[in-house]
Amino acid sequence: DGGITQSPKYLFRKEGQNVTLSCEQNLNHDAMYWYRQDPGQGLRLIYYSQIVNDFQKGDIAEGYSVSREKKESFPLTVTSAQKNPTAFYLCASSHGQGGNSPLHFGNGTRLTVT
Amino acid sequence: SQQGEEDPQALSIQEGENATMNCSYKTSINNLQWYRQNSGRGLVHLILIRSNEREKHSGRLRVTLDTSKKSSSLLITASRAADTASYFCAINFGNEKLTFGTGTRLTIIP
Repeated sequence: DGGITQSPKYLFRKEGQNVTLSCEQNLNHDAMYWYRQDPGQGLRLIYYSQIVNDFQKGDIAEGYSVSREKKESFPLTVTSAQKNPTAFYLCASSHGQGGNSPLHFGNGTRLTVT
Repeated sequence: SQQGEEDPQALSIQEGENATMNCSYKTSINNLQWYRQNSGRGLVHLILIRSNEREKHSGRLRVTLDTSKKSSSLLITASRAADTASYFCAINFGNEKLTFGTGTRLTIIP
């Protein structure tokens, strides 16, 4: 079955440590996205990539970094510079160019930093 | 900032009743999409409606778009317990991104 796999489902880290969240898709989609979800605030866009080896900042990119070395993979690193990293992180992909096609979401990674 | 505003924030209805939730926005759009999220899970795409369309259906779902009023509605008919979820509108304002609203939390009472 085609889909998006995010791992791990739950992640715990100490403050000051960098952590990388995995996102893999086998839908052959060109575009991939990372969103952050906090209670009562909906989804906010962190980074997105329309094509391999290229990515753009979203609305809340500070304290995060990404890479897009392969079409299938779009890992997100939460750095120690992110002031409030505890959140639910969602990865998504789309077939067409961003915004004009439905997004397919993974089931998220819940990150807790203490 | 550009964002859809959804209302109500929460809605509880009896099983079998219809549920309506609304999304309003302030500037012109390219398309508007509705998504469902079950607790602790990813979002699932429901319907995409483009700015030149007025109504779309999918099973028990009906979405309308009124560009003159800058608003969209999602109607779920004959609700079921399995419809309990959060529903989000997401808007493309003509760029490469989708901007999500804060969602409506729907509870279906058996």
